Amino acid sequence: QSALTQPASVSGSPGQSITISCTGTSSDVGGYNYVSWHQQHPGKAPKCMIYDVSNRPSGVSDRFSGSKSGNTASLTISGLQAEDEADYYCSSFTPSSTLVFGGGTKLTVL
Amino acid sequence: EVQLVESGGGLVQPGGSVRLSCAASGFTSSSYWMYWVRQSPGKGLVWVSRIKNDGSSITYADSMKGRFTISRDNAKNTAYLQMNSLRAEDTAVYYCAGGRYSSRVDYWGQGTLVTVSS
Repeated sequence: QSALTQPASVSGSPGQSITISCTGTSSDVGGYNYVSWHQQHPGKAPKCMIYDVSNRPSGVSDRFSGSKSGNTASLTISGLQAEDEADYYCSSFTPSSTLVFGGGTKLTVL
Repeated sequence: EVQLVESGGGLVQPGGSVRLSCAASGFTSSSYWMYWVRQSPGKGLVWVSRIKNDGSSITYADSMKGRFTISRDNAKNTAYLQMNSLRAEDTAVYYCAGGRYSSRVDYWGQGTLVTVSS
């Protein structure tokens, strides 16, 4: 199972909105509504920010939203804040009942 | 408060073995799938293995099949990962994670570092 494709880096200024893409295939991202997004600050454990494409766990800011079109899922962060600077990973369920992750995207808040 | 606490990592010689443990608290871990995910230095997340809440279903990533064994003891709220025939490329932080459904990870542990080196 090949890793999902994410841009290596994105950046934005405080208050702006950014979108991170996650491209897979019709067998993973396109085949299930089981895409998640995880935030990881340096040296810290990941944290689930979005599950099942567009659902937010309790306690996650509504500035984070998710969507999907075809084989590409997207994470949008609105009203960027300094604390949003982190690595973001997407994941998808696969036909072999495993999870596949993206390569990760480093978000820089300028 | 949900907690997943890994232990058992450290320096291991090539060809050696190590057993990682993951103690869960703050949620009904016996109702959750448990996963192991690893992250090599400076790299991204890689899914390793998963075990169903009752242990009846186990899956491994292809590159780990035959060398790694996942298990759990619900009476102790603990999951395990036995890793044998370790190679330098197995050097990574190993994260324990839990998911209410097999399709996602809801909770993550802090990770334990396994270094395979002579």
